[in-house]
Amino acid sequence: AQRVTQPEKLLSVFKGAPVELKCNYSYSGSPELFWYVQYSRQRLQLLLRHISRESIKGFTADLNKGETSFHLKKPFAQEEDSAMYYCALKYNTGNQFYFGTGTSLTVIP
Amino acid sequence: NAGVTQTPKFRVLKTGQSMTLLCAQDMNHEYMYWYRQDPGMGLRLIHYSVGEGTTAKGEVPDGYNVSRLKKQNFLLGLESAAPSQTSVYFCASRPQGAKDTQYFGPGTRLTVL
Repeated sequence: AQRVTQPEKLLSVFKGAPVELKCNYSYSGSPELFWYVQYSRQRLQLLLRHISRESIKGFTADLNKGETSFHLKKPFAQEEDSAMYYCALKYNTGNQFYFGTGTSLTVIP
Repeated sequence: NAGVTQTPKFRVLKTGQSMTLLCAQDMNHEYMYWYRQDPGMGLRLIHYSVGEGTTAKGEVPDGYNVSRLKKQNFLLGLESAAPSQTSVYFCASRPQGAKDTQYFGPGTRLTVL
């Protein structure tokens, strides 16, 4: 069963435009949710996690338990945001992480 | 600190050959993970370890074995490689505690002919 769904494989936006990468999850409990990013030729790294309620590089993500979503948003996309983005879920009682299939974001200059 | 390192970076195998991928971390992390990354499939967990001497199956463990004899190393073995195991393999480590941040290695690109 797919625990994390990222419906968009590819997403292109113009520089300066708002961007939203969608993530939905299936879990009836209290999950821990993360966004990871992989820039070209770099290793996968944590972008942000819901428990910290932080903004990193202008990105934010709010956990919506009613809609079981954790969408990643940025008001003004930059060229350096072009990367592969993965949403990930961890059950609060477990040690495994479940990743979505990823969204490749391209910011057009 | 080197962080998480993986050896080798690239490898080409013939069907039926065996090999071991090495993951090493110098951050004294308790948890270590092996993932495979395939186009359209995202990252899928193969095996993981919650401490030295322990291992557990992930989502796609078939065809792989692992060992964690030393805390800093996590080995992934393919006993008889198959073309379906062509993938990019990532190792990650995580400290014990509330932060739950995974640190990833650079990946190993494996091709099985």
